Amino acid sequence: EVQLVESGGGLVQPGGSLRLSCAASGFTFSSYWMSWVRQAPGQGLEWVANIRQDGSDKYYVDSVEGRFTISRDNAKKSLFLQMNSLRAEDTAVYYCARIIEATGYYFDYWGQGTLVTVSP
Amino acid sequence: NFMLTQPHSVSESPGKTVTISCTRSSGSIGSYSVQWYRQRPGSAPTTVIYENNQRPSGVPDRFSGSIDSSSNSASLTISGLKTEDEADYYCHSYDTRSWVFGGGTKLTVL
Repeated sequence: EVQLVESGGGLVQPGGSLRLSCAASGFTFSSYWMSWVRQAPGQGLEWVANIRQDGSDKYYVDSVEGRFTISRDNAKKSLFLQMNSLRAEDTAVYYCARIIEATGYYFDYWGQGTLVTVSP
Repeated sequence: NFMLTQPHSVSESPGKTVTISCTRSSGSIGSYSVQWYRQRPGSAPTTVIYENNQRPSGVPDRFSGSIDSSSNSASLTISGLKTEDEADYYCHSYDTRSWVFGGGTKLTVL
């Protein structure tokens, strides 16, 4: 059974940093693109970042470029999101998601999310 | 960058059919696949349609997807509505560097 379990969320002050983790199980982690998607309270989904299987390609939404870094450790079957210079507008539930690369690309499995709150 | 525009909300009665639209602001709707995700309150999203019109295993054939190049839009159609279909639905697509979700449509079945 595919499982994605996020951790590392919490309360942080504006300008602070946080590192999110996503532990994967039930599939060959190193064979898949992975992603972070966030959802602000009461709002819609927002794509944050993608990373290729070997970590060689990374893509970010403009609003986090230069502040967030996506990375992975295939040996530990883990995905990470290092978030620096956090702002109030980064407050959201952050989901880890697996990407299927077929004719197109799409998410097929999601974690349950971890809440990040940026507040004084 | 491009945007995907969805209606904020739709409502319909049980047993009826509803269609949710998703219009792409720039770039051809047919150039990159469109997906649809359902999110129930307090839960993570799940895939109901991928690659424009494909259903994952376990998703009933009451759910169907299509694209229309003339309007540069995609549609999710749910027939035989059930109360359990009540949820938020998001379309999703991408281009060479960015991935985008529509703003979401709240489906009410009443």
